[in-house]
Amino acid sequence: GDSVTQMEGPVTLSEEAFLTINCTYTATGYPSLFWYVQYPGEGLQLLLKATKADDKGSNKGFEATYRKETTSFHLEKGSVQVSDSAVYFCALLTGNQFYFGTGTSLTVIP
Amino acid sequence: SAVISQKPSRDICQRGTSLTIQCQVDSQVTMMFWYRQQPGQSLTLIATANQGSEATYESGFVIDKFPISRPNLTFSTLTVSNMSPEDSSIYLCSVVLGSYGYTFGSGTRLTVV
Repeated sequence: GDSVTQMEGPVTLSEEAFLTINCTYTATGYPSLFWYVQYPGEGLQLLLKATKADDKGSNKGFEATYRKETTSFHLEKGSVQVSDSAVYFCALLTGNQFYFGTGTSLTVIP
Repeated sequence: SAVISQKPSRDICQRGTSLTIQCQVDSQVTMMFWYRQQPGQSLTLIATANQGSEATYESGFVIDKFPISRPNLTFSTLTVSNMSPEDSSIYLCSVVLGSYGYTFGSGTRLTVV
């Protein structure tokens, strides 16, 4: 069935370091792909999305490219900040069914 | 995108009691979803609620334990019944915006003691 596999955490980086969080998916058909972020004590917020192959989603310095050939949607940021500390969820949407990865906790230290 | 208000934001409840969580959306939506996020885990879909029909529950969730109401296109409630410590989780409501993904409420952090 459809699923998302996400890099396990936790991830700890120094401020201004480069971030990559890997996400691969399995799906029949043509899903839309998403990254959600959950800051401490808050609900999920949509970070970025891509609805078809080769689309690049971007927001707040984060980017992810929908790679059909590798079934991946890796999240990247060139220079992380302390305020980026949160849990990041990769997700796919097929039909009206959403599948979430297990989440990757990121801590950025000054 | 739609704005979702969810309440209560958190609660501490005694085992054996029930808690009703409310979810209000600022626009009319066809489908509303309820998720559970257990400590340290990802989101699990509990049920899908359409206005005017019974909710559709995912495997492992039953109506007696998680009754849902959907009286109109902007509101839904989820009740966690006969609670036990294993029900301690964050409960989130969500609405779908076509192919652009879900908008989530801020969640209800439930602790059962």
